Amino acid sequence: GENVEQHPSTLSVQEGDSAVIKCTYSDSASNYFPWYKQELGKRPQLIIDIRSNVGEKKDQRIAVTLNKTAKHFSLHITETQPEDSAVYFCAASRSTGGFKTIFGAGTRLFVKA
Amino acid sequence: AAGVIQSPRHLIKEKRETATLKCYPIPRHDTVYWYQQGPGQDPQFLISFYEKMQSDKGSIPDRFSAQQFSDYHSELNMSSLELGDSALYFCASSPKRDAWDTEAFFGQGTRLTVV
Repeated sequence: GENVEQHPSTLSVQEGDSAVIKCTYSDSASNYFPWYKQELGKRPQLIIDIRSNVGEKKDQRIAVTLNKTAKHFSLHITETQPEDSAVYFCAASRSTGGFKTIFGAGTRLFVKA
Repeated sequence: AAGVIQSPRHLIKEKRETATLKCYPIPRHDTVYWYQQGPGQDPQFLISFYEKMQSDKGSIPDRFSAQQFSDYHSELNMSSLELGDSALYFCASSPKRDAWDTEAFFGQGTRLTVV
């Protein structure tokens, strides 16, 4: 079945450093790749997304890249801040032949002040 | 702006009881998803609905059922509850499935505790 693998499971960085989270997906029909940030006990919140017709997207300190051939996409956070500490989930979705979003296992990011 | 509304926010049930979770999607969103998130785990896809019909099915147990009503709200019915069903249940909604914009917006979740 479809699955999304996410690495690393835990990431600890110093404030101001960059953080990179990587995901791979198996469903070649996936065409939409959102990234969610979830703080403890709260709902996942979309922070950035990328569609299959785009290779890279940037929004202030956050950027995502997509390699469709390798079925690989990544989240890059620059100039990390303590408030970036949370669990980050990548996901892959398709809008044909059924409609569901499959999440990666999550990456717990710690930003040390 | 209107968000996805879930009720109740918290629910405590005993083993073998039944529970019904409700989800009211964002207006004009016609796709609803249900997810189950155990402690420290990623959200697991249960089931989705598009235009009041089941669209896709994930790891939903046979003890659970769900439906989407004419006003697009959805209900997740859970019977013969087990301790392992204790989790945070999220509902999410998104606009028309054939649109390019398929972002899913999550509700605040229902925390189900089975004792």
